[in-house]
Amino acid sequence: AQSVTQPDIHITVSEGASLELRCNYSYGATPYLFWYVQSPGQGLQLLLKYFSGDTLVQGIKGFEAEFKRSQSSFNLRKPSVHWSDAAEYFCAVGTTYSGGGADGLTFGKGTHLIIQP
Amino acid sequence: GAGVSQSPSNKVTEKGKDVELRCDPISGHTALYWYRQRLGQGLEFLIYFQGNSAPDKSGLPSDRFSAERTGESVSTLTIQRTQQEDSAVYLCASSFRSRYLSARADTQYFGPGTRLTVL
Repeated sequence: AQSVTQPDIHITVSEGASLELRCNYSYGATPYLFWYVQSPGQGLQLLLKYFSGDTLVQGIKGFEAEFKRSQSSFNLRKPSVHWSDAAEYFCAVGTTYSGGGADGLTFGKGTHLIIQP
Repeated sequence: GAGVSQSPSNKVTEKGKDVELRCDPISGHTALYWYRQRLGQGLEFLIYFQGNSAPDKSGLPSDRFSAERTGESVSTLTIQRTQQEDSAVYLCASSFRSRYLSARADTQYFGPGTRLTVL
């Protein structure tokens, strides 16, 4: 079975500083990888996804993530954070769709991002 | 078009009562998913529908939980004889599930959730 680890429960970053949120996954084949953001009182919003191809993926709100198969990682980055980026961030993995299987995403426990003025 | 909607947004119930949670997926989305998010935790996958068929129900926490879906539209998650440990936010997501790999396939779009509190 697949699993996702987000090692950092909380991260505090100064506004304007760069950000990297870590995500490690465990899955035997090529995974689908996702980053979602959840703001207080809001639903989950998709930031970006990796299915195949270019390992550097661009998302919304200036975020990007890099898939590194050798490290089983899919870290999320942003060069300069804004106060509005304060939220909970979830990494998720989905299994390769075979056309016959059916399953949901496996989520990490999330990283709470705090932005200091 | 509208996103995924869920009702009610909040539900407070007494231990032992039954509750029904509703999800309206995005129009045209063939797949529908239910997740549970306990306080301070990530999302826990419960069940998946392709059309009105649920191929795998093993993610449901107990036999008190059941779900059904009408065609490719509304789904209801029912919890019978609620317990305090059922208190959580229940999230629904939908996606367009294609036989072929594509950028559209398998991206799940989430609703705002139903916050369930069992007293």
